[in-house]
Amino acid sequence: GAVVSQHPSRVICKSGTSVKIECRSLDFQATTMFWYRQFPKQSLMLMATSNEGSKATYEQGVEKDKFLINHASLTLSTLTVTSAHPEDSSFYICSARATGHPMGYTFGSGTRLTVV
Amino acid sequence: EDQVTQSPEALRLQEGESSSLNCSYTVSGLRGLFWYRQDPGKGPEFLFTLYSAGEEKEKERLKATLTKKESFLHITAPKPEDSATYLCAVQAGSGNTPLVFGKGTRLSVIA
Repeated sequence: GAVVSQHPSRVICKSGTSVKIECRSLDFQATTMFWYRQFPKQSLMLMATSNEGSKATYEQGVEKDKFLINHASLTLSTLTVTSAHPEDSSFYICSARATGHPMGYTFGSGTRLTVV
Repeated sequence: EDQVTQSPEALRLQEGESSSLNCSYTVSGLRGLFWYRQDPGKGPEFLFTLYSAGEEKEKERLKATLTKKESFLHITAPKPEDSATYLCAVQAGSGNTPLVFGKGTRLSVIA
């Protein structure tokens, strides 16, 4: 139980285009989801907290107009990287709060974004 | 500010050579301390949650312990398939607060 599916696993896009990453909770309802970014050999850095039906809360230094987060349902949150640039290339991971589940938090498998 | 520090950054062990990874934390109101395993190009895989000082949990060759200031992940007789990055994270406060992660320990087990 408490499985999160993240798609795509890999994406390559051209500079200036937008990319959408989806995070779905498959067998539970996730009122809160989190988006992280991870650079090579670095830890997970929180980008934003997404609550169903309300605006996301972004961490300091994260551009909300560049990283658009939508959490329109209890099972889906999306992260859209707008006008992507090579410096946006990174590994993006979503996580959901699995309230009542022993693991507490569950993570997607990540999306490797490469902007060329 | 909540902080998590893991040591060492990298650890190389011979197969069967037991060792421990350290996670020290500074947090106001610890709700839980989490250990994850992460393989390259994958998301974190849940290992343990510890809630109070003195608590211990085991899974196969792994054992996690918790004190008021730090947690240890003990690896007994590791195998090459235990090679991965091990992440420690804390949850502070109540409700749906995000986890705060340490930088991880990259473990390599050599046959």
